[in-house]
Amino acid sequence: DIQMTQSPSSLSASVGDRVTITCRASQSISSYLNWYQQKPGKAPNLLIYSASTLQSGVPSRFSGSGSGTDFTLTISSLQAEDYATYYCQQRYITPRTFGQGTKVEIK
Amino acid sequence: QVQLQESGPGLVKPSETLSLTCTVSGTSISTYYWSWIRQTPGKGLEWIGYIYYSGSTNYNPSLKSRVTISVDTSKNQFSLRLNSVTAADTAVYYCVRGKDDYVGWGQGILVTVSS
Repeated sequence: DIQMTQSPSSLSASVGDRVTITCRASQSISSYLNWYQQKPGKAPNLLIYSASTLQSGVPSRFSGSGSGTDFTLTISSLQAEDYATYYCQQRYITPRTFGQGTKVEIK
Repeated sequence: QVQLQESGPGLVKPSETLSLTCTVSGTSISTYYWSWIRQTPGKGLEWIGYIYYSGSTNYNPSLKSRVTISVDTSKNQFSLRLNSVTAADTAVYYCVRGKDDYVGWGQGILVTVSS
């Protein structure tokens, strides 16, 4: 299985801050990488697919980059509604696997 | 708008079979692939498997010996069966649209394995 490792596991940030989350794959997955946002008690919501393509309806402050084994999710200016847990997921091969999550908390 | 709704028992005894159904509305189940994903505090999000309306399936090897995913096109539903459950199978189970990019999710159903 491909292991997905996110860092950090959690972070504290203020509204307006630029936030960066990293995801590393245990082997190359090209650009077959998705990002999800999950709020407490809710299902995950797809934010970005194919490493850098914004899902319809997702605010442009979210962006993704990377290829191969190293990927980044960036929130350019953190908003109150962005406090959540973020997960990466590889779709390169089965079994599909997810990172352990990064919790973004209020500073 | 595609909507998914999980249903089934919230409590299953150890060694028994977990059975869940996902009812799809807003689209024909024949249009997409459909997956089951579960979430636990310890292991996080875990992909269980997916199915196409034709019946073609793909399962996580870690669960393959115990899992069956099936589809009922007449009812616009797909289902999950997980045999010989243990406490480690306690999780929130989600039914999801897609096999690669998970665009639409059900609200999730907590299934507890306990005697």
